[in-house]
Amino acid sequence: GAVVSQHPSRVICKSGTSVKIECRSLDFQATTMFWYRQFPKQSLMLMATSNEGSKATYEQGVEKDKFLINHASLTLSTLTVTSAHPEDSSFYICSASGRVGSEQFFGPGTRLTVL
Amino acid sequence: KQEVTQIPAALSVPEGENLVLNCSFTDSAIYNLQWFRQDPGKGLTSLLLIQSSQREQTSGRLNASLDKSSGRSTLYIAASQPGDSATYLCAVRLYSGGSNYKLTFGKGTLLTVNP
Repeated sequence: GAVVSQHPSRVICKSGTSVKIECRSLDFQATTMFWYRQFPKQSLMLMATSNEGSKATYEQGVEKDKFLINHASLTLSTLTVTSAHPEDSSFYICSASGRVGSEQFFGPGTRLTVL
Repeated sequence: KQEVTQIPAALSVPEGENLVLNCSFTDSAIYNLQWFRQDPGKGLTSLLLIQSSQREQTSGRLNASLDKSSGRSTLYIAASQPGDSATYLCAVRLYSGGSNYKLTFGKGTLLTVNP
């Protein structure tokens, strides 16, 4: 299957700082990228969907000014958690798809801990 | 709103046993269904994808079935091995507007295969 990478794998930051997470599709062009959040023992919850060159579509209840998503190229999307707070601590996973509606490939996830 | 339920939440079996994981969804207008594996603290690995027009897919010791009209899918694992221990996630993909499709996940079944 196709490979999706995420960086960093773990990040610990102080409350009030901003954190950027990168998601890259390594061997295919990702027309669509997805960002998910997973709390312990919970399902993955979709935060937003981004198509290359377009503004991201955010799910209900997700603050677009707090979770900034950029999908500037067909192989890179970034998620910036602005002014992070302890309740933002979670496992963030990105996913990429080469065609609309086709199989999604997932990154290894980023564990964010906000102190 | 699409809801995905997985039963059982946890399952422990001895090595070599055949087992079935169940997934049900409330909205049958799905585009396709995907089964994933997630190891602790890791991202998702896609196991099988079944299109809405298909009844089953097979990969090695894994067989997934889909009954779209009744809103059910099963994942059959033959001759289970300790290395199969992981959380298995079921997700259904629906059209969400524009050119976007969205995956909705169940909470998963935690499988433990004992040597």
